[in-house]
Amino acid sequence: NAGVTQTPKFQVLKTGQSMTLQCAQDMNHNSMYWYRQDPGMGLRLIYYSASEGTTDKGEVPNGYNVSRLNKREFSLRLESAAPSQTSVYFCASSGRGSNQPQHFGDGTRLSIL
Amino acid sequence: QKEVEQNSGPLSVPEGAIASLNCTYSDRGSQSFFWYRQYSGKSPELIMFIYSNGDKEDGRFTAQLNKASQYVSLLIRDSQPSDSATYLCAVKGGGTASKLTFGTGTRLQVTL
Repeated sequence: NAGVTQTPKFQVLKTGQSMTLQCAQDMNHNSMYWYRQDPGMGLRLIYYSASEGTTDKGEVPNGYNVSRLNKREFSLRLESAAPSQTSVYFCASSGRGSNQPQHFGDGTRLSIL
Repeated sequence: QKEVEQNSGPLSVPEGAIASLNCTYSDRGSQSFFWYRQYSGKSPELIMFIYSNGDKEDGRFTAQLNKASQYVSLLIRDSQPSDSATYLCAVKGGGTASKLTFGTGTRLQVTL
């Protein structure tokens, strides 16, 4: 059972380049999330999608866009990468209900030079 | 004031001892509380969740919640070196939104 799958696992970009991080879940979850994790900062929510067809900003949305392609897939796009976006990015999903935990993918380690 | 606060540690305990990890939160309307474990270079994995006042036990782990004091803790009994990791406290606020707010985590070191 794959759970939450993120691609790629590692990526190096140059400043100004664009890229899309992919996330897919096979747990039939309604909600999906994108976080970034930086040393000493914990997990910070970038965007989330409470259900298919909806997306909302989280704590740190600037410089990012998202697409909830269908119930399974939720992508994160960096249009013009900046060194400040060097981070580890995690995708997560959760089922319906207030007590449902979030399940995380393995992460994407992104470096922007 | 941060919404979810944890002592960053490291918290060092000897093997076999009880490790006590603490978390405070600011939103009195918070509904559910989650503990995740994160090994270095890995993704967070769920250990436990709790939403009612009191204690909830699962094997060597006990989560404790006190909503009046806005305090949640995780006890790890018979600590093992494999428990050495960062423990993240996450809180679901009031309302229908499903998003969680995470603390910055407490690093636990279990020494031989």
